[in-house]
Amino acid sequence: DGGITQSPKYLFRKEGQNVTLSCEQNLNHDAMYWYRQDPGQGLRLIYYSQIVNDFQKGDIAEGYSVSREKKESFPLTVTSAQKNPTAFYLCASSNGGRVTQYFGPGTRLTVL
Amino acid sequence: GQQVMQIPQYQHVQEGEDFTTYCNSSTTLSNIQWYKQRPGGHPVFLIQLVKSGEVKKQKRLTFQFGEAKKNSSLHITATQTTDVGTYFCAGLTSSNTGKLIFGQGTTLQVKP
Repeated sequence: DGGITQSPKYLFRKEGQNVTLSCEQNLNHDAMYWYRQDPGQGLRLIYYSQIVNDFQKGDIAEGYSVSREKKESFPLTVTSAQKNPTAFYLCASSNGGRVTQYFGPGTRLTVL
Repeated sequence: GQQVMQIPQYQHVQEGEDFTTYCNSSTTLSNIQWYKQRPGGHPVFLIQLVKSGEVKKQKRLTFQFGEAKKNSSLHITATQTTDVGTYFCAGLTSSNTGKLIFGQGTTLQVKP
């Protein structure tokens, strides 16, 4: 099956710990994105990457880091510097020439 | 910065009633896309509008893109319980980045 996978679906971490969220796609898409979703605030862009080994900050990049070493993978690290990390995190990808985004199922992160 | 405002934030309707959500951008858009997110799910692409004044229909859903390419609307005729979810508009200001600006979403509840 082609698609985007995110794991795990639910993640719990203690305050002060870094945590890495996985995002993998087998759609052969060039571009990948990370969004954060909070109730009533829609989707806010954290980081995006249009090509391997390159990525740009989105609107709320502080406290987050990413890497894009492979076309299929775009992991997101939520660092201890992120003041309010509890949220629903969505990964998406798109084909370079088109901008329709395909979303993964999301990871719900809770920091205790 | 560039913003896409969406109203209303919530809408409760009786099954069979019509529903409309509106999207307004502070800047001219290259195109606008609409996504639907079911409760507990992830956003799924519905449609893309590109031309000024464009109108597209999908069964009971009618999508419009304003003449100035700054606003859009989604109208659902005779809502059904399967229409429940959050509807997001997302505007593209430049096709070079593929970076979408999402509205805050309108959450639709349908009472049977």
